[in-house]
Amino acid sequence: EVQLAESGGGLVQPGGSLTLSCQGSGFSVSSDWMHWVRQTPGKGLVWVSRIAPDGKTNHADSVKGRFTISRDNAKDTLYLQMNSLRVEDTAVYYCSRDTFGRHDQWGQGTLVTVSS
Amino acid sequence: QSVLTQPPSASGTPGQRVTVSCSGSSSNIGRDNVYWYQQLPGTVPKLLIYNNDQRPSGVPDRFSGSKSGTSASLAISGLRSEDEADYYCAAWDDSLSGYLFGTGTKVTVL
Repeated sequence: EVQLAESGGGLVQPGGSLTLSCQGSGFSVSSDWMHWVRQTPGKGLVWVSRIAPDGKTNHADSVKGRFTISRDNAKDTLYLQMNSLRVEDTAVYYCSRDTFGRHDQWGQGTLVTVSS
Repeated sequence: QSVLTQPPSASGTPGQRVTVSCSGSSSNIGRDNVYWYQQLPGTVPKLLIYNNDQRPSGVPDRFSGSKSGTSASLAISGLRSEDEADYYCAAWDDSLSGYLFGTGTKVTVL
């Protein structure tokens, strides 16, 4: 069974850093496009970053230069390194698998709260 | 426009047909496939429609999608109480080199 499980969320002060992890099972994280999507409680979905099988990455303008998506193929794990965090980065962060453009698998999400 | 615009809400009585629109531009819907996601209260998003009008296995045929030009629509026929959820359209945007989600539509079953 294909599953994704995020971890690493928590409370961090503005300007701080946090690294989120997304463990894949039942498939290879390295062979698919993988994304991070966030959702502020009660609000809509917002795309954050993606990484291609060849390692090419894209980031939303709102996080460009602050967030970095990466993966460890040996561990089948996706990461999101978040630096210079802002209050407006507070959200539930989901990882998702992209199969030919469709996000067909989602993790349960991990909550990141940026507050002093 | 680098945003996918949806109506904030839509509603219908059980058995009715409800449609949700998604308006984009030539850099997203006009060039790429449209996807629809359903998010039931307190749950993670679920793929509902892919490639404009295709349903993943397990999605009832009451749900259908269409696309024309820079707009897309999701239709729910035979509305049921369990369809009460938030619905999001999505597409890749070539100008932004980023994935766009729509603003979201809350469907209420009256």
